[in-house]
This record gives sequence, structure tokens and C-alpha cells, in this order.
Amino acid sequence: DTAVSQTPKYLVTQMGNDKSIKCEQNLGHDTMYWYKQDSKKFLKIMFSYNNKELIINETVPNRFSPKSPDKAHLNLHINSLELGDSAVYFCASSRGSGANVLTFGAGSRLTVL
Amino acid sequence: QQQVKQSPQSLIVQKGGISIINCAYENTAFDYFPWYQQFPGKGPALLIAIRPDVSEKKEGRFTISFNKSAKQFSLHIMDSQPGDSATYFCAATGTGGFKTIFGAGTRLFVKA
Repeated sequence: DTAVSQTPKYLVTQMGNDKSIKCEQNLGHDTMYWYKQDSKKFLKIMFSYNNKELIINETVPNRFSPKSPDKAHLNLHINSLELGDSAVYFCASSRGSGANVLTFGAGSRLTVL
Repeated sequence: QQQVKQSPQSLIVQKGGISIINCAYENTAFDYFPWYQQFPGKGPALLIAIRPDVSEKKEGRFTISFNKSAKQFSLHIMDSQPGDSATYFCAATGTGGFKTIFGAGTRLFVKA
């Protein structure tokens, strides 16, 4: 039973389209995150939610909008996709925020053509 | 102040050798330093972590050395194996709602 599951695993789409990535965790964690990993493997936090409340919102274009319907789910919607959005997006969760272990999903590879 | 600097970018080690990856941080408020291991096509997974009240932590072949005064920490992989070939990330975070800051990653290749 996967602890943090993301769908879809692969997304190939045209510039200008809108797409969503869904994430669910069954660990009972109260904090969830979206990280972006670029082609050089650099991991950068985008958003963090604690008990459905947004607590970290990095300098991310407004085209990216996270939504947490409950503390086990965190979705990411991206409008008007651009070439530079191509990356692997990782969902993660932790018990509390701050000095805690992150459990990552397997990633969603987004390719914008 | 929020950066974590990691080196080297890539590392090739012979099977049985020691792999060493170094990291440095700036923010003295960080109080938790995990290392994550990432295999191709997978998400990063916690390998080992240390808090600054100890100078060393060992788990099997993996050891973290921590130098609080120098604000540096390193990962040593003893008896490196081909199965250790992966990307390793050091990270830093802290209590009080700090986000986890990752180093740039080190791609380790262990030659058989």
C-alpha cells in the first residue's frame, strides 16, 4: 500500500494547456508539500499545507495553484503551461512542519511541448 | 542564509571504496540535517539524519559527521556497493516551521 501516491506519473502536453496532478497520503501526516525537481536534479519547494492551510508559498507563478481538500490530499493545478514548467513534480508529506522526515511520492514527470 | 551547499556534484568510486559527500549551511537556526537517497524514477527517501547535539551518527555502512562550529556535515559511505549508485541530497531544516532546504545533489556511481 503506497504511502504517498501521485497521479499521473507521466504528463505530456502542449504549451498553453492546463493540467492537474493529484496526491494522496495514507500515513496520517498533517503536512503536505509540492517540490519541483528540474533537469539538473535540483529540488525546490513550491508549496506546503498544514491541516489544509497554506503555510509555505514560494515565489511560484500564479499559474500554479495548489488545493488541499483534506489533510490527506494535495493537488496541483497548472494553467497556461510553458516550456519551462517541464520538470518532475514531487508530492511529500510529514508529521508536522519543520524538523521532520519527508516522505516523497514517486514523482510526476511533466513534459511541455 | 537559507542555502545548503553540497559537493561534489558527481562522484565515481570503486566497489569497496569510501564515498564522501560534503555539505555546508549558513543558518544557525537549522537543527535537523537529513540525507536523502534518490534512485532513478523514484522519489527521494530518507537515508540517515542527525541533530547538532552529536558529532557523528552511524547506521550500517552510512555515517554522518557533523561539525557545528564550522557549519558543515558530511556523509560517508563505507564499502561502497554498485547498489549505492544514486543521487544523494543533504538537507537542513529546523523546528519552528522551517521548510526543508536541499543541497544541489551528488550523483554517485560505484564501479563494480
